[in-house]
Amino acid sequence: NAGVTQTPKFRVLKTGQSMTLLCAQDMNHEYMYWYRQDPGMGLRLIHYSVGEGTTAKGEVPDGYNVSRLKKQNFLLGLESAAPSQTSVYFCASRRVGAFDTEAFFGQGTRLTVV
Amino acid sequence: AQTVTQSQPEMSVQEAETVTLSCTYDTSESNYYLFWYKQPPSRQMILVIRQEAYKQQNATENRFSVNFQKAAKSFSLKISDSQLGDTAMYFCAFMKHAGANSKLTFGKGITLSVRP
Repeated sequence: NAGVTQTPKFRVLKTGQSMTLLCAQDMNHEYMYWYRQDPGMGLRLIHYSVGEGTTAKGEVPDGYNVSRLKKQNFLLGLESAAPSQTSVYFCASRRVGAFDTEAFFGQGTRLTVV
Repeated sequence: AQTVTQSQPEMSVQEAETVTLSCTYDTSESNYYLFWYKQPPSRQMILVIRQEAYKQQNATENRFSVNFQKAAKSFSLKISDSQLGDTAMYFCAFMKHAGANSKLTFGKGITLSVRP
């Protein structure tokens, strides 16, 4: 079972460059999320999606854009990378259901902006 | 807005002993969910245990159990018979409900080291 797959796993960017992180899930989950993890900060929500074609802002959305054109994919874009965006990025997905609270996470992407 | 506080950045425990990780949270909701996630050095986020606020009984999963004190807004994780594989970062997390716009809010995490 693939679950939630993030591409790439590592990346180094120069300040001002752009890139897209891909999250793919094969569990037919409706809800998808992008988090960033920084030392001493825990995981903070960047953007999320409750279904194909919908996105919403999380706690720290500035400098990021997202798209959910297909149900199984959730893309996170950095238009002009900044050193403050150096972080580990996690994608997660979750089923629809009154008691379906478990989020399944990808393996993370370590991004360094120099 | 909900907040989750993990005030201990690091803890250490001897193998085979018991350790308790603390977590407090703040919310005005009456029904919600609480979680402990484990992040080993591999970076993978693994759900350890979940507690529904409407359930009075504390959740248990093998060596892992919680002490849920709703009135005090406290949710601690007890790890019994600690093993070397328990070495990881542990995150406490809160979710308001299972609906569409409900998200996980995480604490800052605690690094647990199990000594051989």
